[in-house]
Amino acid sequence: ETGVTQTPRHLVMGMTNKKSLKCEQHLGHNAMYWYKQSAKKPLELMFVYSLEERVENNSVPSRFSPECPNSSHLFLHLHTLQPEDSALYLCASSPGLAAYQETQYFGPGTRLLVL
Amino acid sequence: ILNVEQSPQSLHVQEGDSTNFTCSFPSSNFYALHWYRWETAKSPEALFVMTLNGDEKKKGQISATLNTKEGYSYLYIKGSQPEDSATYLCASTTGGGNKLTFGTGTQLKVEL
Repeated sequence: ETGVTQTPRHLVMGMTNKKSLKCEQHLGHNAMYWYKQSAKKPLELMFVYSLEERVENNSVPSRFSPECPNSSHLFLHLHTLQPEDSALYLCASSPGLAAYQETQYFGPGTRLLVL
Repeated sequence: ILNVEQSPQSLHVQEGDSTNFTCSFPSSNFYALHWYRWETAKSPEALFVMTLNGDEKKKGQISATLNTKEGYSYLYIKGSQPEDSATYLCASTTGGGNKLTFGTGTQLKVEL
């Protein structure tokens, strides 16, 4: 257990659906992240939040909309996705103080399939 | 090197064998190198963070070294066990920020 939980663990959605992924961390961290892993590709950073403020948007299409209502929760709202968006979506958190040398703590991921 | 690259892509060894993998990363503007262990259906788990050239870290039978001048890190596993089977990821941080750039990982399978 890393102290980072994600729900749901699996999600199947149509291209016209709207769904949300949820991440919760119980570690008292100040920074939270969304990553995407497509088949045979490295983990790719999508968004970074620090103290509930978005500090990085890694050229992610607007059909992905993150929300960080407080430092313990992070959402990824999904709208009109494409089949190529099918991937594993991982959430992570870190203390948010020491930046580059901080360990990031990952959740188990949500496996998303877009039909 | 522009991206983080790991080799080999996959590795099958016998129980008791020692093994090592390589991570190559951009050496310019380098800040830190991270190793993670990722078992199937679980969360990636941090192993080491290294920042200084010549750093060596050890955790049980797993150790890692860092060469920031030439841009590579080695991960060693001594006496591999089946429970060491996992994907080993490395990631580098450049520019002082908290953005990790990951490699595609080395998938290790330890057989009895």
